[in-house]
Amino acid sequence: SQTIHQWPATLVQPVGSPLSLECTVEGTSNPNLYWYRQAAGRGLQLLFYSVGIGQISSEVPQNLSASRPQDRQFILSSKKLLLSDSGFYLCAWRQDFFTGELFFGEGSRLTVL
Amino acid sequence: AQKITQTQPGMFVQEKEAVTLDCTYDTSDPSYGLFWYKQPSSGEMIFLIYQGSYDQQNATEGRYSLNFQKARKSANLVISASQLGDSAMYFCAMRNTDKLIFGTGTRLQVFP
Repeated sequence: SQTIHQWPATLVQPVGSPLSLECTVEGTSNPNLYWYRQAAGRGLQLLFYSVGIGQISSEVPQNLSASRPQDRQFILSSKKLLLSDSGFYLCAWRQDFFTGELFFGEGSRLTVL
Repeated sequence: AQKITQTQPGMFVQEKEAVTLDCTYDTSDPSYGLFWYKQPSSGEMIFLIYQGSYDQQNATEGRYSLNFQKARKSANLVISASQLGDSAMYFCAMRNTDKLIFGTGTRLQVFP
């Protein structure tokens, strides 16, 4: 069966420090991968998605970047965190282009101080 | 542009009663999909139900049903016989080509 994991689960970082959140999917190949951010009490904002290795689409201009070095690995990064980067980050994957639902990871809660 | 709107920031329902959570969408694509997710306080996102734009019947999954009104561009979630464990945030989402866009969510609270 397919599983998705992301880490770390919780992160407290000072302003200006770098960030790396990792997400891996097991049990499937060539998934579509997504990074969403959820600000406190808000909906989900799509940050990046990838349909294949090295293919990254950015949805909003921001302080973050994403990379997909392997088929089932998706990384969210920042060189210098801002206060506004705080939030709950969710990685997700889907297989079926037309009907497949998103399967989400456990989430990573980032607090920038 | 594609858009998902959830106009109810919060809803209350008594245990064992039914509740409807509203969702409207806007798209020019003839082919699209609509999803509902539940997010408990733990933060995980749980898939509930899916409706395709060409599906003739409303989707149902146990106590969840989706009231799909294509002409009105609405895809409301109906939860029958509410339980205390249904208290959570609920998100409506729409497939837009190869990504899903989400509404702002509705917080449902079930009271005894």
